[in-house]
Amino acid sequence: NAGVTQTPKFQVLKTGQSMTLQCAQDMNHNSMYWYRQDPGMGLRLIYYSASEGTTDKGEVPNGYNVSRLNKREFSLRLESAAPSQTSVYFCASSEVAGLETQYFGPGTRLLVL
Amino acid sequence: SQQGEEDPQALSIQEGENATMNCSYKTSINNLQWYRQNSGRGLVHLILIRSNEREKHSGRLRVTLDTSKKSSSLLITASRAADTASYFCATAQSNTDKLIFGTGTRLQVFP
Repeated sequence: NAGVTQTPKFQVLKTGQSMTLQCAQDMNHNSMYWYRQDPGMGLRLIYYSASEGTTDKGEVPNGYNVSRLNKREFSLRLESAAPSQTSVYFCASSEVAGLETQYFGPGTRLLVL
Repeated sequence: SQQGEEDPQALSIQEGENATMNCSYKTSINNLQWYRQNSGRGLVHLILIRSNEREKHSGRLRVTLDTSKKSSSLLITASRAADTASYFCATAQSNTDKLIFGTGTRLQVFP
């Protein structure tokens, strides 16, 4: 089992460009999450999907959109990247939303110039 | 705003010593979890303690939870250089389906 995989590992964008971060899990988990991590801060929830077919905003959703493509895949899209979105992005999954252990991917480092 | 606040922000100890990290939170919870993050990597789950539990052990890890004080502590006994990492608490808030992470404690264990 690969667990949670994320692509790409690194990305450099110019302000205004768009991109999609991909996440996939092979643990048959119902819930998936996108977080961002900035220096000196913990993880902040951007969006989550408690189950296939549902998505909800987290703490910092502005500037992002998500798609729960199927049970395995949950993508995060930046429509018009801004320097404030420079961060490390983590995808995670869990069997049940909120209550149980979350399993994290290796992260995507994004630099917006 | 973040639910959990870890204390201290940074901790440096020698191998063999014990390391204690504390976490405080603000609202009622279903459970509290501790995660470890090695530099540049994703988070790894260490231990989960439910709101009706007071203490839990896993190997060299001991976690306590005091719901009356809204606080938890993580004790790593006989620390090793490989324990060098950042440690985060995360709370599963009651009536929500989200985890809220704290800002973390950076632990440095010197050989």
